[in-house]
Amino acid sequence: QVTLRESGPALVKPTQTLTLTCTFSGFSFSTNGVCVIWVRQPPGKALEWLAVIDWDDDKHYSTSLKTRLTISKDTSKNQVVLTMTNMDPVDTATYYCARRLGLLDGFDIWGQGIMVTVSS
Amino acid sequence: DIQMTQSPSTLSASVGDRVTITCRASQSISSWLAWYQQKPGKAPRLLIYKASSLQSGVPSRFSGSGSGTEFTLTISSLQPDDFATYYCQQYNSDWTFGQGTRVEIK
Repeated sequence: QVTLRESGPALVKPTQTLTLTCTFSGFSFSTNGVCVIWVRQPPGKALEWLAVIDWDDDKHYSTSLKTRLTISKDTSKNQVVLTMTNMDPVDTATYYCARRLGLLDGFDIWGQGIMVTVSS
Repeated sequence: DIQMTQSPSTLSASVGDRVTITCRASQSISSWLAWYQQKPGKAPRLLIYKASSLQSGVPSRFSGSGSGTEFTLTISSLQPDDFATYYCQQYNSDWTFGQGTRVEIK
């Protein structure tokens, strides 16, 4: 069974750095084509992709947020970590991680999401 | 960056209706398009990938078509479980989502 689970703080203060961890099971980065994406969704708004890391450690970032984001993976722990610097109240959102199995595919398995509020 | 525009933003329909949602890309994305369904408080669910391939386990009343810049998601006979918000996502260049289409009860 493939699962992903997001973890991290529920509340961060403005200007702080957010660190989120996606812990997964049932697949590995040893398979060509596998990647993990981070997506966020402010309350009542649309989905927004943030960052992707591939099986070969290629990293991709949303143009509008790339200066604030870092994505990495720890294959020994089956984890993908996203950091976002200089948090602002507009970054309040539910943050999801999801898996893509192959290059031709969509993101078929998603975590339940974690709600992060940015407030002083 | 490739922009994705969905229409309509909201759609009112009845059970049994045929429903069509359109997604347009700001430049050609070939067939690199996925559709997702999302219900309140839940993660998105993959319905369609590569524009027209039905994800395993998804009912056959869902279908996708299109290529290049214009795509459609069709629900052949709307069921009570289908009232939700639907998003398209291109993956030709990065992974941009559309703004969503809410399907509500008429």
